[in-house]
Amino acid sequence: DAGITQSPRHKVTETGTPVTLRCHQTENHRYMYWYRQDPGHGLRLIHYSYGVKDTDKGEVSDGYSVSRSKTEDFLLTLESATSSQTSVYFCAISESDRGKEKLFFGSGTQLSVL
Amino acid sequence: AQTVTQSQPEMSVQEAETVTLSCTYDTSENNYYLFWYKQPPSRQMILVIRQEAYKQQNATENRFSVNFQKAAKSFSLKISDSQLGDTAMYFCAFMENPNNNDMRFGAGTRLTVKP
Repeated sequence: DAGITQSPRHKVTETGTPVTLRCHQTENHRYMYWYRQDPGHGLRLIHYSYGVKDTDKGEVSDGYSVSRSKTEDFLLTLESATSSQTSVYFCAISESDRGKEKLFFGSGTQLSVL
Repeated sequence: AQTVTQSQPEMSVQEAETVTLSCTYDTSENNYYLFWYKQPPSRQMILVIRQEAYKQQNATENRFSVNFQKAAKSFSLKISDSQLGDTAMYFCAFMENPNNNDMRFGAGTRLTVKP
């Protein structure tokens, strides 16, 4: 599982409230990602990080912010949650095996915004 | 932007038989990577198989193999001797050169293996 832990596993919140999801890794990987999964869309990249305090936007970054103050932690924040942000959120790390890049994923967080 | 298309939302196969899942993609790049991920009901995303575009030989991993047609931009997954544990969502994914870390996914194919 590449040492990836996501928390919480499930969360229910109300529209307009702030929400922070946490991704923790134990193997010192440089690259970390946040994806959301929705029916009919597969997984879409929200933000990614290529090092401490180095982040960039993905395909669906509106309404989300991220922070990476330590190598092992990558936080995803919804400043004011909306119902359209109800989704399953996956954290991933990029692992290079003999130059063969691949992504490994956490177990996901089911977020429901009511 | 690169897009990945999986045209089969759902498929089923009898246990022990062979099934092929389709995937097409669109890119102007010459160097890229293609992946198939499996997502069982546990929700965990599991890497099944990986193909580098510069390699002509199709990748294989035990019962899983791909048919990579670069000119046609096609990347299908063949599962041989299907097992009940193969029941899952399968996602095709595309990544450019590793310097670009944006992995694009198809919408997925739900595969059911019937006993």
